[in-house]
Amino acid sequence: DIQMTQSPSSLSVSVRDRVTITCRASQSISNYVNWYQQKPGKAPEVLIYAASRLQSGVPSRFSGSGSGTDFTLTISSLQPEDFATYYCQQSYTTPHSFGQGTKLEIK
Amino acid sequence: QVQLVESGGGVVQPGGSLRLSCTASGFTFTNHAMHWVRQAPGKGLEWVAIVSHDGSNKKYADSVKGRFTISRDNSKNTVYLEMNSLRAVDTAVYYCARGVDIFLVPPSMGDWFDPWGQGTLVTVSS
Repeated sequence: DIQMTQSPSSLSVSVRDRVTITCRASQSISNYVNWYQQKPGKAPEVLIYAASRLQSGVPSRFSGSGSGTDFTLTISSLQPEDFATYYCQQSYTTPHSFGQGTKLEIK
Repeated sequence: QVQLVESGGGVVQPGGSLRLSCTASGFTFTNHAMHWVRQAPGKGLEWVAIVSHDGSNKKYADSVKGRFTISRDNSKNTVYLEMNSLRAVDTAVYYCARGVDIFLVPPSMGDWFDPWGQGTLVTVSS
């Protein structure tokens, strides 16, 4: 099975900060990585698919990059509504494993 | 609008069974694989199972293999998760999620989950 190692597990940040979250796969998975945002009590929502494609309706301050084993989600200027937990996920093969999550907290 | 609505959650004793349902609307159900994903209280996301668009292929997480069965009824736009031999560790919110439109998205783009249902809570406790 492919393991997705996400870091950091939590991050204290301020509005307008630039935020970078990383995800490392245990083997090469090309560009088969997606990123989700989850707010408390809500279902996750996709932000980025295929490593770098922005989902329709998602603000352009979100971006994704990477290929192979190393992937990054970047929020260029954090907004108040972005305080949430973020997950990476691979779709290279089943089981479609998730990273452990990164919780963004207000500094 | 595109919508997924889960039902069937509840409290069940260890060793018991439960069947979850997820009814879809607002899109061509037969164009999409469907997934179940769960989230234990205060924990991260765990992928559980997938059923292909036509129901012919199914895959499971090792943690549920042999105990859970995913199926779909395309005439009812519904996907199911039959859960048997339930354990305390199966306690979680269970989400159904739509995979990509296999007739629009090339395999090179992979699969992603959009949208997700609101989730249904399964509690395994005596």
